Amino acid sequence: AQRVTQPEKLLSVFKGAPVELKCNYSYSGSPELFWYVQYSRQRLQLLLRHISRESIKGFTADLNKGETSFHLKKPFAQEEDSAMYYCALSQVSEYGNKLVFGAGTILRVKS
Amino acid sequence: GAGVSQTPSNKVTEKGKYVELRCDPISGHTALYWYRQSLGQGPEFLIYFQGTGAADDSGLPNDRFFAVRPEGSVSTLKIQRTERGDSAVYLCASSLRPGLAGTNEQFFGPGTRLTVL
Repeated sequence: AQRVTQPEKLLSVFKGAPVELKCNYSYSGSPELFWYVQYSRQRLQLLLRHISRESIKGFTADLNKGETSFHLKKPFAQEEDSAMYYCALSQVSEYGNKLVFGAGTILRVKS
Repeated sequence: GAGVSQTPSNKVTEKGKYVELRCDPISGHTALYWYRQSLGQGPEFLIYFQGTGAADDSGLPNDRFFAVRPEGSVSTLKIQRTERGDSAVYLCASSLRPGLAGTNEQFFGPGTRLTVL
């Protein structure tokens, strides 16, 4: 069965500190992995996807198939990074890309 | 349009009543998804439309839930005989079309918060 696990409900760091939001998945096949972010009073939006291999707002995430992980990292946290972060996976398919989400991690960046 | 829109933003109903939740996807997006998000959880998939047809309804919890997309654009999620456990935020998302990256990014609406008393 497809499953995404985000072990931390809340991660609190000081401004300028490194951030790592953990995500582990289980999937039999080749999934596509995503990080979605929801800022206060805003809708859910895509932050980054593993196939893009890009850095967005200073965040990066590397897919580790051996450890089945897709942790989100940022070297220096900013206060504006405070939000709810969801890790998600989907099956690459022309028949639809339903997303399976983790429970989410609240990131709180303190000044 | 500016993005995916959903109406109403909030809906309070009584146990046993019928409700309809509406989703307006981004113009030109052929794929439309419904998700349900309970308190403290991530969104959970309900149903996926490709055009007018429900290509995958494996996430609908029971036969009280039904969704339509008659003209391949606007979709309505219908819940009969609502129960208190149906209380959640119902999210709609659309994408240009399914498949490989570049076309399958899902854009989410603001959600409808359903409260069943």
